[in-house]
Amino acid sequence: GAGVSQSPSNKVTEKGKDVELRCDPISGHTALYWYRQRLGQGLEFLIYFQGNSAPDKSGLPSDRFSAERTGESVSTLTIQRTQQEDSAVYLCASRLEADTQYFGPGTRLTVL
Amino acid sequence: GDSVTQMEGPVTLSEEAFLTINCTYTATGYPSLFWYVQYPGEGLQLLLKATKADDKGSNKGFEATYRKETTSFHLEKGSVQVSDSAVYFCALSHPEYGNKLVFGAGTILRVKS
Repeated sequence: GAGVSQSPSNKVTEKGKDVELRCDPISGHTALYWYRQRLGQGLEFLIYFQGNSAPDKSGLPSDRFSAERTGESVSTLTIQRTQQEDSAVYLCASRLEADTQYFGPGTRLTVL
Repeated sequence: GDSVTQMEGPVTLSEEAFLTINCTYTATGYPSLFWYVQYPGEGLQLLLKATKADDKGSNKGFEATYRKETTSFHLEKGSVQVSDSAVYFCALSHPEYGNKLVFGAGTILRVKS
């Protein structure tokens, strides 16, 4: 079946602009996660959805970052007033049961 | 909080050499442990996992054993191939924390023919 998809694959934006990143999880997967991978660093957890609610937002680095999920499907991660330190690959993953997460290909965000 | 430490790379080996990538963790309770792999130009893929102490995860000739006493989950392969060249990430998760993954920094493996 189809895997996790993310769009856009690449996004270049100017400092101060807002960006939206989209994640389409595997159909039927109830849990959805956002992670960030900055250059030369490991993956950092950002936020976790169970259904449409977000019981854990502890990884969001500032109030410029927000995310939502609708219809227990698509999720969007929004970064307002982007800064250069927001440049990273943003990864989405989904999970049905047990503990295995399946990752999308990521969105590479570059803030100039 | 929970953390994962893995050996720094890059690790460079000749084809058919033995591979070990060390991974240790700090966590409360009994987390699940994972190795994920990222091949050049591809997304992150689950390589293997273990969910309780003394479990051995295995896949594609790779193995790792969940050692509670040493809080380790070292990745091994008896004979590496050029196609194993990739970045390897050790990670843990707790069901009671929503199964969010805590990752190590990643280890680059380069295999030469």
